[in-house]
Amino acid sequence: EDQVTQSPEALRLQEGESSSLNCSYTVSGLRGLFWYRQDPGKGPEFLFTLYSAGEEKEKERLKATLTKKESFLHITAPKPEDSATYLCAVQAVGGSNYKLTFGKGTLLTVNP
Amino acid sequence: EAGVVQSPRYKIIEKKQPVAFWCNPISGHNTLYWYRQNLGQGPELLIRYENEEAVDDSQLPKDRFSAERLKGVDSTLKIQPAELGDSAVYLCASSFGRHIGNTQYFGPGTRLTVL
Repeated sequence: EDQVTQSPEALRLQEGESSSLNCSYTVSGLRGLFWYRQDPGKGPEFLFTLYSAGEEKEKERLKATLTKKESFLHITAPKPEDSATYLCAVQAVGGSNYKLTFGKGTLLTVNP
Repeated sequence: EAGVVQSPRYKIIEKKQPVAFWCNPISGHNTLYWYRQNLGQGPELLIRYENEEAVDDSQLPKDRFSAERLKGVDSTLKIQPAELGDSAVYLCASSFGRHIGNTQYFGPGTRLTVL
């Protein structure tokens, strides 16, 4: 069974204090790894898709990286508006090929 | 471009009552998904449609849940009768095409409270 574990569950940073969120996964074969941002009372907002180990993608202060066992979401010099829950999901080979298996998310709070 | 639209945004009902949720996907997206998100958890897939065909409903509790996607556009998810444990946020998502890795775009969700 596909599994996604995110850590830490919650992270509190000061504005400008860079850090990383972790997503560890276990799948029979990885088709894609997705990062979403979710604000309170809203649906997940797509950030990145990574397909193979070594791949990196960047968007503003966010950078996502992928290895064979985990992905990191690096946040550089965060601002209060980066506060949200960050969700990681995997899409696996075989079975229901389009199903996303999500982790529980990391709640990020950035204080001014 | 308009995103995924869902209604209602909030619904409060008593247990054993029926409830329905509506979703309008992004224009041109032929794949539609219904997810359920419990508090503090990630979304879990309930059902996936390719056009009007339900191609993956293995996670849908079929004794009380039903869904339809007439004409391959809008979709409705129904619960009858609702139970206390059904309280959650019901999310609709859509994607374009059948390619693996296609991005799923989510709507704002319907927050259901069963009393």
